Amino acid sequence: AQRVTQPEKLLSVFKGAPVELKCNYSYSGSPELFWYVQYSRQRLQLLLRHISRESIKGFTADLNKGETSFHLKKPFAQEEDSAMYYCALKGYNAGNMLTFGGGTRLMVKP
Amino acid sequence: SAVISQKPSRDICQRGTSLTIQCQVDSQVTMMFWYRQQPGQSLTLIATANQGSEATYESGFVIDKFPISRPNLTFSTLTVSNMSPEDSSIYLCSVYEIGRLNTEAFFGQGTRLTVV
Repeated sequence: AQRVTQPEKLLSVFKGAPVELKCNYSYSGSPELFWYVQYSRQRLQLLLRHISRESIKGFTADLNKGETSFHLKKPFAQEEDSAMYYCALKGYNAGNMLTFGGGTRLMVKP
Repeated sequence: SAVISQKPSRDICQRGTSLTIQCQVDSQVTMMFWYRQQPGQSLTLIATANQGSEATYESGFVIDKFPISRPNLTFSTLTVSNMSPEDSSIYLCSVYEIGRLNTEAFFGQGTRLTVV
């Protein structure tokens, strides 16, 4: 079974501080990992995917297969980063379903 | 990228009644899903809406409670039947676009349901 764990429900940092949103997964294989973000009053949307190895809005995430982690990082948090962040996994089982973590609410204080 | 319109955006309903949520996509998609997002919790997949056949339900969800229609590749409905306050939640429609290199899920804006 595939599972995604985000240990922190709430993460509060000051503007300019580094931020790391943790994500651990369990899956017997090579999954695709994603981070989705939901800003206030907006719909859930893709932030980044591990395959692309991209930096979006200053955020990066590295897939660590040894630790089965996909933590989301940004060196200097901005107030507009305040949002709900979901880590998600897509395995290659039947249906190719996305499994979401519980989400972490990031609050960036001025 | 797919654009998804969901309606109603919110509703307050009496217990024992039913509400049908509509999801319209601006393009034909194969994979269409319904999620529930309860307060303070993650997104939980309710079912996969299959075009031309019965929906595939996840553990804990049944057709009698959440009947789903998928008459074509751009439209689906989810009905929340015989509602109770425990059904108060945000219900989300989602589609996947699976490319050769990338997969991305798109979401509707959600339907916020309050059952009183």
